[in-house]
Amino acid sequence: DAGVIQSPRHEVTEMGQEVTLRCKPISGHNSLFWYRQTMMRGLELLIYFNNNVPIDDSGMPEDRFSAKMPNASFSTLKIQPSEPRDSAVYFCASRPPASYNEQFFGPGTRLTVL
Amino acid sequence: AQSVTQPDIHITVSEGASLELRCNYSYGATPYLFWYVQSPGQGLQLLLKYFSGDTLVQGIKGFEAEFKRSQSSFNLRKPSVHWSDAAEYFCAVAPSTGGFKTIFGAGTRLFVKA
Repeated sequence: DAGVIQSPRHEVTEMGQEVTLRCKPISGHNSLFWYRQTMMRGLELLIYFNNNVPIDDSGMPEDRFSAKMPNASFSTLKIQPSEPRDSAVYFCASRPPASYNEQFFGPGTRLTVL
Repeated sequence: AQSVTQPDIHITVSEGASLELRCNYSYGATPYLFWYVQSPGQGLQLLLKYFSGDTLVQGIKGFEAEFKRSQSSFNLRKPSVHWSDAAEYFCAVAPSTGGFKTIFGAGTRLFVKA
């Protein structure tokens, strides 16, 4: 079975540009999480969805960040405009229903903002 | 406050030696407990989880962990480390009732020397 799919795997952009990260959760999973990982701050939860509805976006750093989940099989995380301090690895994870809250992670998108 | 503490930022062990990674948590009620492993350039992979019952749980790759309620600990062990175990290890907690938010520790990086 395919795991969580993220695209692109690597993104290099210039400051001020819009960046869109994409995630396809595992089929049948009904919760989706976006994380950011940096050396300084470790793994940070940005936002999570349950049944396509955003439940907690308190981790979104500022209004430049937005996330959507238009259907059960797709989510996006957008940064507009991007800044160098947004450089990080962004992970998407999904969780099956009626589980013990274990999460399944994608391979991540390494974002570099110049 | 809810938190997960991994007191060792990094640990170095010799191949074939035993391993113990420490994890302590602070949580209102007994949560679900997890260990994840992250190899370089990869996402996090679930090693094992505890949700109830036997306090010694077995996971993949020969790992085990013991839940000690009195010490609020969930230490990870392996009797004989292989070079391929070199990675970063994250302890995590999630609610056992209501909610999906997982709290991750800062991680312990394991180095294996020949």
